[in-house]
Amino acid sequence: AQSVTQPDIHITVSEGASLELRCNYSYGATPYLFWYVQSPGQGLQLLLKYFSGDTLVQGIKGFEAEFKRSQSSFNLRKPSVHWSDAAEYFCAVGASGNKLVFGAGTILRVKS
Amino acid sequence: DAGITQSPRYKITETGRQVTLMCHQTWSHSYMFWYRQDLGHGLRLIYYSAAADITDKGEVPDGYVVSRSKTENFPLTLESATRSQTSVYFCASTPREQGAFSGQPQHFGDGTRLSIL
Repeated sequence: AQSVTQPDIHITVSEGASLELRCNYSYGATPYLFWYVQSPGQGLQLLLKYFSGDTLVQGIKGFEAEFKRSQSSFNLRKPSVHWSDAAEYFCAVGASGNKLVFGAGTILRVKS
Repeated sequence: DAGITQSPRYKITETGRQVTLMCHQTWSHSYMFWYRQDLGHGLRLIYYSAAADITDKGEVPDGYVVSRSKTENFPLTLESATRSQTSVYFCASTPREQGAFSGQPQHFGDGTRLSIL
């Protein structure tokens, strides 16, 4: 069965610093991978997705993610974090029946 | 562009009561989903529906009932609420495409925060 691991529950980054959020997945075939962001009191918003092709995927708000099959990873990155990026981030893998399996999430705190 | 709306946004009720959470989407998406979000667990799938009158269990279906008589609505009912069902509930939808998994992202509502006393 598919599963997703986000090893970091909380991450604190200084504003302007770079960011990397880790995601490892378990899936037998080529995975469909997603990153979502959730601001407090809001639903989840799609940041980016990977289906196939170029392993470096660009998303909204300046985020990117790199698919590494050999490491079963899909880490999210941003070169310079803004205070408005403080939120919870979820990695997800697609499953049959159009379902998604989510990781437990990583809470990003941005300090000024 | 209403998208997907959930109601109520907040609900407080007592153990043993029946509670229904509503979800309505305006895109005519085939698939709809109910998740619960709990600290440390991310989002866990409760039930999902591939089309009107077609529903199936997810990871944590016990204590919940769903129906889908119309494509746009997917209510979730807690038949006899328990404290362990205190959570934030999210509804999501996605269009149907070819294949077992289209890879289309899911679109989420803003959630219902449910407290059971």
